[in-house]
Amino acid sequence: EAGVTQFPSHSVIEKGQTVTLRCDPISGHDNLYWYRRVMGKEIKFLLHFVKESKQDESGMPNNRFLAERTGGTYSTLKVQPAELEDSGVYFCASRSMTARAGELFFGEGSRLTVL
Amino acid sequence: AQRVTQPEKLLSVFKGAPVELKCNYSYSGSPELFWYVQYSRQRLQLLLRHISRESIKGFTADLNKGETSFHLKKPFAQEEDSAMYYCALSGSGNTGKLIFGQGTTLQVKP
Repeated sequence: EAGVTQFPSHSVIEKGQTVTLRCDPISGHDNLYWYRRVMGKEIKFLLHFVKESKQDESGMPNNRFLAERTGGTYSTLKVQPAELEDSGVYFCASRSMTARAGELFFGEGSRLTVL
Repeated sequence: AQRVTQPEKLLSVFKGAPVELKCNYSYSGSPELFWYVQYSRQRLQLLLRHISRESIKGFTADLNKGETSFHLKKPFAQEEDSAMYYCALSGSGNTGKLIFGQGTTLQVKP
């Protein structure tokens, strides 16, 4: 069974441009999360989907970030316009509804570099 | 404020030596604590859950509510233990929302 897949693995864009990151969760996992790690800092929660609904988006930094999960399958995270401080690694994770607490399955991450 | 602190960025030990990766937390309530590990070129993965009181790959971690700590220990380090270790906290409700520490790189030298 495939794990959580993220695309692209690395994106380099200029300040002001737009980037869209994609996450395909493990099949059947209703819970999908976005986290990010900016340089030198801890991994921080961005938001949580349950199926297609946003359960918690308290970690989204500002309105330049837009996450969607149409149909409750894959998710996209769009940054528009990108700023220098958005550089970092964006992780997606998924979890089944019956998983044990804390058992998230992470993707390999999408590294974003904003120049 | 909810916070997880891992005071060491890097811990370097020789093979066979004991290892203790420190983790302290701040949380008003009854948190659940976890250790995640990321080996080189691999994904972040769950290593231990405090509630399970399990030993995985020789690692154990005990939740000390009095000291608000959840240190990760292994009596004899192996080279394959070299990795980045993250301590994480989850509040009640099993939502999957985790608060991570900054991580500690464990380097086990031959």
